[in-house]
Amino acid sequence: AQTVTQSQPEMSVQEAETVTLSCTYDTSESDYYLFWYKQPPSRQMILVIRQEAYKQQNATENRFSVNFQKAAKSFSLKISDSQLGDAAMYFCALDYYGGATNKLIFGTGTLLAVQP
Amino acid sequence: DVKVTQSSRYLVKRTGEKVFLECVQDMDHENMFWYRQDPGLGLRLIYFSYDVKMKEKGDIPEGYSVSREKKERFSLILESASTNQTSMYLCASSLLPAPITGLVNPYNEQFFGPGTRLTVL
Repeated sequence: AQTVTQSQPEMSVQEAETVTLSCTYDTSESDYYLFWYKQPPSRQMILVIRQEAYKQQNATENRFSVNFQKAAKSFSLKISDSQLGDAAMYFCALDYYGGATNKLIFGTGTLLAVQP
Repeated sequence: DVKVTQSSRYLVKRTGEKVFLECVQDMDHENMFWYRQDPGLGLRLIYFSYDVKMKEKGDIPEGYSVSREKKERFSLILESASTNQTSMYLCASSLLPAPITGLVNPYNEQFFGPGTRLTVL
């Protein structure tokens, strides 16, 4: 079975500072993807960043980067120079091929507050 | 841009009512999904469909059914709504068909709708 664990229900960061959101996962698959999704108050799920399991290099997207530790099954998200618009619920998700198509398993989410 | 729309942003129903949640995607995607989102539980997969009239149960299918008569539309049905089905429901779609066995799993992003917040009284 695949599982995704986010142990930080809530986090807070000062504007312009850096924050790291934690995620661990478990899977027996050798071929999978990991994602961070952002869900602002509008409720629209937005893909922030993805990591292919076969790539050792950590993914980066502007102010967002990940620390992917495959052996430890850890996948944390670092947000640099935090902005007010980063305030949202963040979900870590594991994408794997489960029979008919790819499926996503989500963590329970981390609610990020950004203080001005 | 891919657009996934859901028929209602907010819905209030009574216990025992039959409820239909509609989802439409406009990009000819093969796969469509229904999730429910609850505080402290994240998103959980209810059902998904990988082709017209084809469906598979997700992790929490009890109390739900689905229908996919046309490629662009995927409906979630609550046959007899109960208060424990009060939740946020999210629809998603993804492009690629099921990969051929033995090939590397291709990247197949899911695109989400804006969600329907359902309250069952």
